[in-house]
Amino acid sequence: QAGLTQPPSMSKGLGQTATLTCTGNSNNVGNQGAAWLQQHQGHPPKVLSSRDNRRPSGISERFFASRSGNTASLTITGLQPEDEADYCCSAWDSSLNGVVFGGGTKLTVL
Amino acid sequence: EVQVVESGGGLVKPGGSLRLSCAASGFTFTNYWMHWVRQAPGKGLLWVARVDNAGSGTSYADSVKGRFTISRDNDKNTVYLQMNSLRVEDTAVYYCGTVFEMWGQGTMVTVSS
Repeated sequence: QAGLTQPPSMSKGLGQTATLTCTGNSNNVGNQGAAWLQQHQGHPPKVLSSRDNRRPSGISERFFASRSGNTASLTITGLQPEDEADYCCSAWDSSLNGVVFGGGTKLTVL
Repeated sequence: EVQVVESGGGLVKPGGSLRLSCAASGFTFTNYWMHWVRQAPGKGLLWVARVDNAGSGTSYADSVKGRFTISRDNDKNTVYLQMNSLRVEDTAVYYCGTVFEMWGQGTMVTVSS
């Protein structure tokens, strides 16, 4: 099943701002919104932002999600060492009748 | 506190069967569709199956259609994944959750002779 498109990697400096993107189509991101997940090596995914761009309780305000058309974005401000992780987007696809994921962006904090 | 706990993983031979369970607590279980998602070693997340609130509607990834069955018991706040005709390529950590809000810790399934 076709997935969402994310750049495979990104490197940013400590304290800088990173903006990750996730591109889909009108069957998924465009009409259903996208959730953002953070995954550290060896750990399960953690939801940073739900499909309506809201942060779950306990998620830092440094994580901000938005959407424009078929592209969702996750902006992380004031990068910290613990932000080094894989970031993956997910959306419901109404034509596939299933969930689609991005391939993930590996964020390195220098 | 929200908890999603998977169990039932293990080592099974190709062609064998396994039944995964997922116990949920700390949220209104019947408000959510529940999903199984898997992640092969070193790979990305791959959606497997979902069941609607009542348990009457399901859908599956093409790769597991006809072999896997998802179900839920709302009296027990539990979701199941019956996996039959397992293949080596089904080897992965299997996660249960609502996907867009909550995830479990995962259970490892290894299919090998």
